[in-house]
Amino acid sequence: AQSVTQLGSHVSVSEGALVLLRCNYSSSVPPYLFWYVQYPNQGLQLLLKYTSAATLVKGINGFEAEFKKSETSFHLTKPSAHMSDAAEYFCAVSLNYGGATNKLIFGTGTLLAVQP
Amino acid sequence: DTAVSQTPKYLVTQMGNDKSIKCEQNLGHDTMYWYKQDSKKFLKIMFSYNNKELIINETVPNRFSPKSPDKAHLNLHINSLELGDSAVYFCASWDRTSGAREQFFGPGTRLTVL
Repeated sequence: AQSVTQLGSHVSVSEGALVLLRCNYSSSVPPYLFWYVQYPNQGLQLLLKYTSAATLVKGINGFEAEFKKSETSFHLTKPSAHMSDAAEYFCAVSLNYGGATNKLIFGTGTLLAVQP
Repeated sequence: DTAVSQTPKYLVTQMGNDKSIKCEQNLGHDTMYWYKQDSKKFLKIMFSYNNKELIINETVPNRFSPKSPDKAHLNLHINSLELGDSAVYFCASWDRTSGAREQFFGPGTRLTVL
């Protein structure tokens, strides 16, 4: 069964510091992986996606993630945090239903706080 | 232009009432979803519709009845609302023909049952 685990429900960094949000996946087939961001009282916005084309994936707002098959990980990083990065971040894996549809299985989320 | 829109944004109602949430997407996608986000922010799929046909029903109580009048709309009707139905409900859509897997989400409807 496919699943994702996000380590750390809360992460706090100082403005300008490195952001590292952890995600590990479990999948019996090559996974499609995603990071979504949810700003307060808003919907989910796609940050980036891994679809097997390249292991280092660049997304919006300076975020990137590296797919490591040996570690079954897809951690999200940003070199320098900005106050506007404060939000909830969700890692997700896509489960295919034979082409008819797919569903996203989400991790439990990581709340990122950025201190001035 | 809003890609996936939901109405209403907030819904406060009494236990036992019946309510509906509407969703529309103007992306031309043929697959739409309802997800539920609980008070702990956990997101879980409820339903998936493909071109008006129900594909996924994740053991949701039958008090919840999705309806898709056309492939651009997916509404969610909830009968006999219970306290535990309080959550944020997200509509999403997907382009099955694109080969990509990402889904596009609406802004959410925060349902509060008193």
